[in-house]
Amino acid sequence: GAVVSQHPSWVICKSGTSVKIECRSLDFQATTMFWYRQFPKQSLMLMATSNEGSKATYEQGVEKDKFLINHASLTLSTLTVTSAHPEDSSFYICSARYLPTGSSADTIYFGEGSWLTVV
Amino acid sequence: DQQVKQNSPSLSVQEGRISILNCDYTNSMFDYFLWYKKYPAEGPTFLISISSIKDKNEDGRFTVFLNKSAKHLSLHIVPSQPGDSAVYFCAASFMNYGGATNKLIFGTGTLLAVQP
Repeated sequence: GAVVSQHPSWVICKSGTSVKIECRSLDFQATTMFWYRQFPKQSLMLMATSNEGSKATYEQGVEKDKFLINHASLTLSTLTVTSAHPEDSSFYICSARYLPTGSSADTIYFGEGSWLTVV
Repeated sequence: DQQVKQNSPSLSVQEGRISILNCDYTNSMFDYFLWYKKYPAEGPTFLISISSIKDKNEDGRFTVFLNKSAKHLSLHIVPSQPGDSAVYFCAASFMNYGGATNKLIFGTGTLLAVQP
C-alpha cells in the first residue's frame, strides 16, 4: 500500500519553544492531508484538513495561530506547534488521501505518528 | 458530542473464534465507514471500508456489516489470530461530490485481545 512518513517520531521540547512535525507521502501525491492528535486512551481527534496550495481548514476549538499547518507541495505537509506548553504534549498523526490513477475510490493512509513531550 | 461510538472499550476472544467489534454513529449523513487497526505509538492501519450503499463488505478474514436504519456497523474477524490483538477504531466520513473521502470522525476504539 501507499506509504506516509512522519518525522520526527518523537520530540522533546522546552515550554515556550516551537516544534515542527513533517508528514510526507512517499510514493504518491496527496492533495489533501489531515492532522490528528490523540491523548492517551482516547480517540483520534481531527485538528485540521490541509489542502495543497491553500489555507488549512481547522476544526472547532483548534487554535490556528498555535498549530500552523503548511501544505506547500503535493507530498509534504507540516504542523508547527508554536509556543508549546506541557498540555500540548500528545501523539500527533497525519494522514494523506491516496487516489490511484484511473480510480474513483480513494483510501486514507496514516503516518506513524509523532510523540511530542513539552517540558 | 461523540458522533461515532464504540461502547466496548475491550474485548477478549480465543484464537480461532470470531471477534465482533461494534460501532454506532449518530449522524445519518455519514456515507462512508472505515475500520482501522492501531498498535501503541503507531499510526492506524487501514483494514476495510464500506459505502452506505452496501450492507456488507468482505476482505479475507475481515467482514464489515452496515445497518443504516440502526446506525450501526460491525467488524467481524474470523478466525481470530493472536496477531490481531490491537486497538480497533471505526471511523465515519462524508464523501464529497468527487467521490473523495473527507475528514474522518473516529470512535473511541476497542482493545481486542486474542488469547492463544
